[in-house]
Amino acid sequence: DTAVSQTPKYLVTQMGNDKSIKCEQNLGHDTMYWYKQDSKKFLKIMFSYNNKELIINETVPNRFSPKSPDKAHLNLHINSLELGDSAVYFCASSQADPYEQYFGPGTRLTVT
Amino acid sequence: AQSVTQPDIHITVSEGASLELRCNYSYGATPYLFWYVQSPGQGLQLLLKYFSGDTLVQGIKGFEAEFKRSQSSFNLRKPSVHWSDAAEYFCAPERETNAGKSTFGDGTTLTVKP
Repeated sequence: DTAVSQTPKYLVTQMGNDKSIKCEQNLGHDTMYWYKQDSKKFLKIMFSYNNKELIINETVPNRFSPKSPDKAHLNLHINSLELGDSAVYFCASSQADPYEQYFGPGTRLTVT
Repeated sequence: AQSVTQPDIHITVSEGASLELRCNYSYGATPYLFWYVQSPGQGLQLLLKYFSGDTLVQGIKGFEAEFKRSQSSFNLRKPSVHWSDAAEYFCAPERETNAGKSTFGDGTTLTVKP
């Protein structure tokens, strides 16, 4: 049983396109996150949702829009993709106290 | 401002040798402390965590970490490294008042020589 799953695993697209990445967790956690990992492996939080409510919204271009239809799902939609959006995007989830996070396998986005 | 530093970008050790990965943080109060490992092509996996109590914590895969309040450090150690330990390691402090928002260090890449 996969705890945190993401689809697709790989995504290759052209500049200007719109794409979505989906995330699902079956751990019963209340909080879900999106992270971006660049080519140097630096990991940066983008968004966090708690019970479908946005609680963390870092400085991210408004081309990125998260959506949480229920607390088990957190999707990421990206409009007008740019070359700089190429990265690996990780979804994660956690339960309040002790807050350790469980990560999905990542989605490698390549914008050409 | 809150920050975390992993001073070693890249470490190479021989298989069977001991390992220590450093992590220093700058927070107003002692945060929750986590170490995660990322194997090539994988997501991050929790190795161990410290909240309070015994300052030496044990984790999975034979790893341990020691919290030293006076040095604001939470260094990760393993007595004998295996080739499968080659990976990226991230230290991640988290404030209780800002729970759920870990700040990840820049990571340390571990290479294991046969």
